[in-house]
Amino acid sequence: DQQVKQNSPSLSVQEGRISILNCDYTNSMFDYFLWYKKYPAEGPTFLISISSIKDKNEDGRFTVFLNKSAKHLSLHIVPSQPGDSAVYFCAAPFYGGSQGNLIFGKGTKLSVKP
Amino acid sequence: DTGVSQNPRHKITKRGQNVTFRCDPISEHNRLYWYRQTLGQGPEFLTYFQNEAQLEKSRLLSDRFSAERPKGSFSTLEIQRTEQGDSAMYLCASSLGRGAYGYTFGSGTRLTVV
Repeated sequence: DQQVKQNSPSLSVQEGRISILNCDYTNSMFDYFLWYKKYPAEGPTFLISISSIKDKNEDGRFTVFLNKSAKHLSLHIVPSQPGDSAVYFCAAPFYGGSQGNLIFGKGTKLSVKP
Repeated sequence: DTGVSQNPRHKITKRGQNVTFRCDPISEHNRLYWYRQTLGQGPEFLTYFQNEAQLEKSRLLSDRFSAERPKGSFSTLEIQRTEQGDSAMYLCASSLGRGAYGYTFGSGTRLTVV
């Protein structure tokens, strides 16, 4: 049972345009969500997070939107730059065990073309 | 402190051999996590430590896997009698507390079992 789903394996956008990466989740108990960016041969890098009590969080070119009723969140990158080309993972903390660990989606590979 | 350090970066081993990986977390982080990532998948949780105590283990962590974190500092992950299915990127991450602002990941150890 995949609790965090990223249904688009890849996305290609033109430099300067908006990139929108989507994520769906099934567990309404998640109390925050995170986005990570991963370049080849490197570990994931934390990008931005959002608490479940908010519906929007913005950090520079990156904005995350949360729609709790739809159990959906999205990451907007405006304007997109070639250096944004990477795999983006959506993640949420799992508390089914002890103190929690992160559950990741399968990722979306973003390609920003000059 | 330059972040989370993992060694080695790459390991090629023959099936049936034992391998050990090391992770040095950010010094002030009390939590340390091991994840595994295979092609086309997001990172999957293996185990986590709070200080020196191993608090949670995933079902993915078979009896051939063992992890330690002596004195709550660095951690080792050992795989005994490696199998081809163990080939993956093994990622270590650390956080201060629950990591609501994100874990810091290392660059990973790429294991290839031939």
